[in-house]
Amino acid sequence: GAGVSQSPSNKVTEKGKDVELRCDPISGHTALYWYRQSLGQGLEFLIYFQGNSAPDKSGLPSDRFSAERTGGSVSTLTIQRTQQEDSAVYLCASSPVAGGYEQYFGPGTRLTVT
Amino acid sequence: QQPVQSPQAVILREGEDAVINCSSSKALYSVHWYRQKHGEAPVFLMILLKGGEQKGHDKISASFNEKKQQSSLYLTASQLSYSGTYFCGTEKSGSRLTFGEGTQLTVNP
Repeated sequence: GAGVSQSPSNKVTEKGKDVELRCDPISGHTALYWYRQSLGQGLEFLIYFQGNSAPDKSGLPSDRFSAERTGGSVSTLTIQRTQQEDSAVYLCASSPVAGGYEQYFGPGTRLTVT
Repeated sequence: QQPVQSPQAVILREGEDAVINCSSSKALYSVHWYRQKHGEAPVFLMILLKGGEQKGHDKISASFNEKKQQSSLYLTASQLSYSGTYFCGTEKSGSRLTFGEGTQLTVNP
């Protein structure tokens, strides 16, 4: 079956612009996670959803970052007034439920802020 | 709090074995292991749950010492395809994973 998909695969934007990153999880997966990976670094947790609610937003680095999930499916991560330090690969993952299950990762969106 | 992985890097010849360790200072609900090849997304290898349950691939083995909050991933008879960066992710309760810095594994012919 289809895996996790993300769009766009690459995004180049100018400093100060807003960007939206999209994640389509595996059908039926109720948990959805967003991570950020800077070049050569590990994965940094941003936020997770169980259904449409986000019980844990503690990883969002600033109030410029927000995320929503609608219909228990597609999620959008929005970064407002982008800064150069926002440049990274943004990875989305989904799992059947939150907690104790493997996470399936999408291919990521490479964001470059110039 | 981020788990600590060791070693940071290891180089093997095909057929050799390796152990990658992951330790946490917090009580854990589960430990996950993923492998990431350059330019690709992380791929699930193994999950070890508090209480002893394990889920993962047949050719991968791992252990989870609940008392010490440590996990080890055992790679035996390594193949060229094993090369990549291995991440452990720790879960305190049914929610977020906190990943270690990764262990870079290189298997040479």
